[in-house]
Amino acid sequence: AQSVAQPEDQVNVAEGNPLTVKCTYSVSGNPYLFWYVQYPNRGLQFLLKYITGDNLVKGSYGFEAEFNKSQTSFHLKKPSALVSDSALYFCAVRPRSGGGADGLTFGKGTHLIIQP
Amino acid sequence: EAQVTQNPRYLITVTGKKLTVTCSQNMNHEYMSWYRQDPGLGLRQIYYSMNVEVTDKGDVPEGYKVSRKEKRNFPLILESPSPNQTSLYFCASMGVAGGNEQFFGPGTRLTVL
Repeated sequence: AQSVAQPEDQVNVAEGNPLTVKCTYSVSGNPYLFWYVQYPNRGLQFLLKYITGDNLVKGSYGFEAEFNKSQTSFHLKKPSALVSDSALYFCAVRPRSGGGADGLTFGKGTHLIIQP
Repeated sequence: EAQVTQNPRYLITVTGKKLTVTCSQNMNHEYMSWYRQDPGLGLRQIYYSMNVEVTDKGDVPEGYKVSRKEKRNFPLILESPSPNQTSLYFCASMGVAGGNEQFFGPGTRLTVL
């Protein structure tokens, strides 16, 4: 069975500092990898995804993520945090192999708090 | 505007009273899915549909039903809601190419008393 781990329930970063939200996964083969963000009282918004190619993926709002196959990780990063980045972040995976549910397996989420 | 809509956004009901949460998408997506979000558990898939008249169970299907009579609509039905179904529910849709992301609705917060 596939699983996603987000080891930190909460990450606190000062505004202007770089941020990292960690994600590791366990799934057979090479999955598709995703990051979503959820603002209070809102649905999930897609941030970025890894399909193939360059291990560093750039997405919305200045976020990027680094795929590391050997460590089965897909950490979310941003060089300079903004207070408006404060939200709940979810990592998700979906197997490449066909015939499955194509549903996403989510991590439990990480609250990112950017302090002014 | 491309979007997934859900109704109602908020619902308080009592145990055993049948309810339906509607979901509609305007992107002509084949794939649609329902998730529930609970604190500390992330999102878990309830049911999904690969196309019209094709539905299947996700990870937590007990107590739920779905139907897919039209491509754009995918209602979630709780025949006899119970308090453990109190949760935040999200509908999502996706084009079926493998690397596509899913688009999520705004969520429905359900409370079962």
